[in-house]
Amino acid sequence: DTAVSQTPKYLVTQMGNDKSIKCEQNLGHDTMYWYKQDSKKFLKIMFSYNNKELIINETVPNRFSPKSPDKAHLNLHINSLELGDSAVYFCASRHPPGNEQFFGPGTRLTVL
Amino acid sequence: AQTVTQSQPEMSVQEAETVTLSCTYDTSESNYYLFWYKQPPSRQMILVIRQEAYKQQNATENRFSVNFQKAAKSFSLKISDSQLGDTAMYFCAFMKLQGAQKLVFGQGTRLTINP
Repeated sequence: DTAVSQTPKYLVTQMGNDKSIKCEQNLGHDTMYWYKQDSKKFLKIMFSYNNKELIINETVPNRFSPKSPDKAHLNLHINSLELGDSAVYFCASRHPPGNEQFFGPGTRLTVL
Repeated sequence: AQTVTQSQPEMSVQEAETVTLSCTYDTSESNYYLFWYKQPPSRQMILVIRQEAYKQQNATENRFSVNFQKAAKSFSLKISDSQLGDTAMYFCAFMKLQGAQKLVFGQGTRLTINP
C-alpha cells in the first residue's frame, strides 16, 4: 500500500496552460504539505494544510492554489504556467508523534 | 528565520568505508527536530534518521548515526560500512515545534559509494 501517492508522476505542458497535481495519503495524518525542488535540487516549502485548513503559505505566486477537499487529499493547481515553474513537486504528510514527514514520489513538471 | 547549511556539495568514498556528512543550522528556537533524508536516483525522499533537540543522546539507526552538538548547532550524519545502495543525495532538515511546522532543508550533499 502506497502511503503518500501523487498523480501524475510526470507532466509536460506548454507555457500558459493550467494544470493540477493530486496528492493522497492513507496514513490518517492531519497535516499535509507541498514542497518544490528546483533544478539545483533545493527543496522549499510552498504550502501546508492541517485538517483542510491552510496554515502555511510561503510567498508563492497567486498562480499556485492548493485545495484540500478532505484531510487525506491535498491538490495543487497551477494557472498560466511559466518556464520557471519547471521543477519536481513533492507532497508530504506529517506524523504527529515523531514529526517526521512522509513524502510522495514527486511530480516532475516540465514547462516548454 | 531558520537556515540549514550543508558545506559539502559532493562526497565520494569506497564501499565499506565510513563517511560523515556535515550539517549546521541557525535558529533561536529551543524546541525543534532535526532530520536526515536520503534521495536516491529514483527521487523518492526517504527518512534516514531523526533527532529531537531535547534529547542529549545521539540517534542511531543501524549503520546510520548522528553527532548532535546543540550548542554548536551542528548535526552530522555518519554512515558506517557504506554500501552501494547508499549512493544518493542527502538532505539535512530542521523543523521547529512552535508555530509553522515545516521542514527547512540544506542544499544537499551528493554521496557516491564506489565499488
